[in-house]
Amino acid sequence: SQQGEEDPQALSIQEGENATMNCSYKTSINNLQWYRQNSGRGLVHLILIRSNEREKHSGRLRVTLDTSKKSSSLLITASRAADTASYFCATGRSGNTPLVFGKGTRLSVIA
Amino acid sequence: DGGITQSPKYLFRKEGQNVTLSCEQNLNHDAMYWYRQDPGQGLRLIYYSQIVNDFQKGDIAEGYSVSREKKESFPLTVTSAQKNPTAFYLCASSIGAGGNTEAFFGQGTRLTVV
Repeated sequence: SQQGEEDPQALSIQEGENATMNCSYKTSINNLQWYRQNSGRGLVHLILIRSNEREKHSGRLRVTLDTSKKSSSLLITASRAADTASYFCATGRSGNTPLVFGKGTRLSVIA
Repeated sequence: DGGITQSPKYLFRKEGQNVTLSCEQNLNHDAMYWYRQDPGQGLRLIYYSQIVNDFQKGDIAEGYSVSREKKESFPLTVTSAQKNPTAFYLCASSIGAGGNTEAFFGQGTRLTVV
């Protein structure tokens, strides 16, 4: 079952602009993670935010988490053509249940 | 270099054949996972293993089988019972069981039925 739903499904921006992707989920979570996937490749972990955290930064990435709304956002600032990829959110729940991934947002950054 | 290695990168299967996808990790991770990805879709969990000699079905286990005889290895067999096996298969591992730590992914195997 897919817990996370990313929005929008696809996003096209100019280089230098900021890109914002959203993720909504349905059940309570321990953490929420964001991953990146270049076309035809494996996923790469970007950032993990725990349920008791509200905001986290890593380089040009900023992630927020609102557990009351069951939603998260990923902001990529000053985007570059190399940021073109699909971005997935994944939720981690209590116990030993594996990560559940959403369907992803396809980001295109035009030079 | 530590990481996860999937092989082969491309695999072609004839109707009615079983094929096995390899996944090896040298990260000393306890947990390993197999996901299936269809075009434009997210990842769906096929099987996962939290410890050697033990594994559990995921959301779409029908037509697939796995083994976990060694900590480093988690091969996936796509059997003839899987009616629509053409997809991109991703193997992952994590240091602990469950989704409380980051997952590390291999580069994937693209399986095509011919």
